[in-house]
Amino acid sequence: QQQVKQSPQSLIVQKGGISIINCAYENTAFDYFPWYQQFPGKGPALLIAIRPDVSEKKEGRFTISFNKSAKQFSLHIMDSQPGDSATYFCAASKKTGGGNKLTFGTGTQLKVEL
Amino acid sequence: GAGVSQSPSNKVTEKGKDVELRCDPISGHTALYWYRQSLGQGLEFLIYFQGNSAPDKSGLPSDRFSAERTGGSVSTLTIQRTQQEDSAVYLCASSPVRGGSSYEQYFGPGTRLTVT
Repeated sequence: QQQVKQSPQSLIVQKGGISIINCAYENTAFDYFPWYQQFPGKGPALLIAIRPDVSEKKEGRFTISFNKSAKQFSLHIMDSQPGDSATYFCAASKKTGGGNKLTFGTGTQLKVEL
Repeated sequence: GAGVSQSPSNKVTEKGKDVELRCDPISGHTALYWYRQSLGQGLEFLIYFQGNSAPDKSGLPSDRFSAERTGGSVSTLTIQRTQQEDSAVYLCASSPVRGGSSYEQYFGPGTRLTVT
């Protein structure tokens, strides 16, 4: 059972454009939704995270939009740059009393072209 | 400061052999996680340690997998009688704990295990 579904599997965006990656979850007990960025040969690095009590969180060029009723959340990368080319994973966990064990989406390979 | 370190970075082993993978978490992080990243299964949780509590082993795929954390710091993941389907990147993450909740997880670079 895939508890976190991520799309698209791959994405090509022109430099300066907006990259949008979407995730949907099933478990309503999830209360923590982070996004990770992974470069080849490296471990995932936390980009930004959101709790379900807010609908949007912005950090620099990265924004999470969260729709609790639809059980969906998305990552928007504004002014995408070639250095943003990486694999992005959404994740979800039950942080409070759940040990914060992350359930990951399947990943999106982003390529930002010049 | 130093991040999470893992060793070895690469391990090639023959089917049926045992392997040990090591994780050194960030100093002061009391929560430690092991995940596995494979082409077919993506990133999946294996086991979680928090302080002196019993580990959460709910993600271990079989009884060939075990892990321990000595002195609340270094952790070792052991895979006995390795199979080809164990080939994957094994990632360790550590996290500070505040108010009883684990926060941001910081991942190490992983150990790439290849079983021939």
